[in-house]
Amino acid sequence: DVVMTQTPLSLSVTPGQPASISCKSSQSLLNSDGKTYLYWYLQKPGQSPQLLIYEVSSRSSGVPDRFSGSGSGTDFTLKISRVEAEDVGVYYCMQGIHLPSTFGQGTRLELK
Amino acid sequence: EVQLVESGGGLVQPGGSLRLSCAASGFSFSDYWMDWVRQAPGKGLVWVSLINPDGSDTNYADSVKGRFTISRDNAKNTLYLQMSSLRVEDTAIYYCVRNRGWSRFDPWGQGTPVTVSP
Repeated sequence: DVVMTQTPLSLSVTPGQPASISCKSSQSLLNSDGKTYLYWYLQKPGQSPQLLIYEVSSRSSGVPDRFSGSGSGTDFTLKISRVEAEDVGVYYCMQGIHLPSTFGQGTRLELK
Repeated sequence: EVQLVESGGGLVQPGGSLRLSCAASGFSFSDYWMDWVRQAPGKGLVWVSLINPDGSDTNYADSVKGRFTISRDNAKNTLYLQMSSLRVEDTAIYYCVRNRGWSRFDPWGQGTPVTVSP
């Protein structure tokens, strides 16, 4: 199975400051169709996960533009340009190119 | 509005069985792959199973293969997960998700809790 490794596992950020989460996969997530199937999900406290970013850098509908994704191959990053209170929760990266689909361990974001 | 509503969770003894359901609405259910993802208490997300639009193709995590069966009824817009030979380690919230291609899971249902305990 593809192993997804996130760092850090927890993050404490002052509102208005940036935040960054790294995700590394044990195999390349680049498909022969030229797309890279790396996703970011956010699970807010007491809620189901929601899709934030698909195919490395495309924001899902309704996701604010302060969220951005980047990377290629096996190294990926989620950045929040200015953290807001509503961004608190656990962020997961996930790969969808190899079955079984696998998630990172999760990164808990809290406010300072 | 696209909506997924799970039901059927509960408390069951080890070795027991349970069937989860997921009622879909707001989209053309028969056009989409569907998956189940679970989350043990205080833990991360783990993919469980998937099924193709007409139900002819399925796949399972090794941890549930041979014990769980995914199925769907497109006439009823409903996804199922039949769970048997349940183990304590199957205790989790089970989420139904629409798969928009290559495991792009969107949206997620609210989840249904399953507790396996003596």
